[in-house]
Amino acid sequence: DTVLTQSPALAVSPGERVSISCRASEGVNSYMHWYQQKPGQQPKLLIYKASNLASGVPARFSGSGSGTDFTLTIDPVEADDTATYFCQQSWNDPRTFGGGTKLELK
Amino acid sequence: EVQLVESGGGLVQPGRSLKLSCAASGFTFSNYYMAWVRQAPKKGLEWVATISTSGSRTYYPDSVKGRFTISRDNAKSSLYLQMNSLKSEDTATYYCARQTGSGGWFAYWGQGTLVTVSS
Repeated sequence: DTVLTQSPALAVSPGERVSISCRASEGVNSYMHWYQQKPGQQPKLLIYKASNLASGVPARFSGSGSGTDFTLTIDPVEADDTATYFCQQSWNDPRTFGGGTKLELK
Repeated sequence: EVQLVESGGGLVQPGRSLKLSCAASGFTFSNYYMAWVRQAPKKGLEWVATISTSGSRTYYPDSVKGRFTISRDNAKSSLYLQMNSLKSEDTATYYCARQTGSGGWFAYWGQGTLVTVSS
């Protein structure tokens, strides 16, 4: 299976820029997607196919990368962005998720 | 507005069965692949099953293959997950999700239904 590795946690101040990384154990082309999950809620799609903004998602969110290394960037970070962020690949079977990065605001 | 509402979760003993349902609205259900994704308590996400638009093709990871069966009723805009031979490690919140294409991402998610496997 394709293992997706994310840093467990990050802490940033409102107004700053934050980059959340996701590294795949094998190439996934551009088929990397990002989700935001707030406590007690279902995941929400933010970015699909590495760099495409999902409908209704603020332009503060952006994605980049290809192959094995991908990044979700939030600029500027707002207090409401406190959440866990998951990456997911759909190029290799089975589709897999990263362990999640918990973003905390200072 | 896309809505996905899961039901059918609960407490079940190991080795028993349970069937989850998902009622979809706000889009043409028969046009989309659908999927189930689960999340164990305080853990990450795991894809469980996907079904094609007509229901003729289904996909599973090895962890549930042979025990879980995904199905759909396009006339009722409903998705199902039949879970047999349940194990304690199947304890999780199960989300119904609308998938984009056969190899795509999960654009919309339901609120989830909790399944607890315990004696």
